[in-house]
Amino acid sequence: SQQGEEDPQALSIQEGENATMNCSYKTSINNLQWYRQNSGRGLVHLILIRSNEREKHSGRLRVTLDTSKKSSSLLITASRAADTASYFCATDAGGTYKYIFGTGTRLKVLA
Amino acid sequence: KAGVTQTPRYLIKTRGQQVTLSCSPISGHRSVSWYQQTPGQGLQFLFEYFSETQRNKGNFPGRFSGRQFSNSRSEMNVSTLELGDSALYLCASTSGGSGNTEAFFGQGTRLTVV
Repeated sequence: SQQGEEDPQALSIQEGENATMNCSYKTSINNLQWYRQNSGRGLVHLILIRSNEREKHSGRLRVTLDTSKKSSSLLITASRAADTASYFCATDAGGTYKYIFGTGTRLKVLA
Repeated sequence: KAGVTQTPRYLIKTRGQQVTLSCSPISGHRSVSWYQQTPGQGLQFLFEYFSETQRNKGNFPGRFSGRQFSNSRSEMNVSTLELGDSALYLCASTSGGSGNTEAFFGQGTRLTVV
């Protein structure tokens, strides 16, 4: 299967704590994107990181990319109850016009 | 700027029937791709269209088909529905250029086959 892997599968933290989730992928990529999904609804785009970038920030989000290890991480700082959702990484599979998604991390932030 | 619009949001169909789902991309975006999401298989790529041409197709049976119109709106059709086709169907819109473009998703169509 080409599907990427994310870990942990589930994460439960207290409000105000940081949450880190990891993504591994199998093919060469042009970019990697992170998405949030609330309760089986649509995917909300969070951030795109290019293969020649190592780190990117957007508000409380920090994404890193290590192409040598074919892995990425998403850090959410100072988490809030509203961050409770599933988080997915998606890679562009080297310009094949399709995205390969990871298995997702279910994050629960307790108030 | 309006986002990606998928219609309908919910559908209930009977085995053997066919269904058509619609996706309107972000204005100016020329690429539309479709994904199926199920609890067991996760998010799986169905196909991608750019300027009315299919550029890539996932590993789904021929019952799954799609098309794109000149205004970039896309439809996907599933014929002879099976219980296993119950899923959330998501479409994504990008500008379609090569390289690093963000893909934006619609809210999805929840299909239930009974």
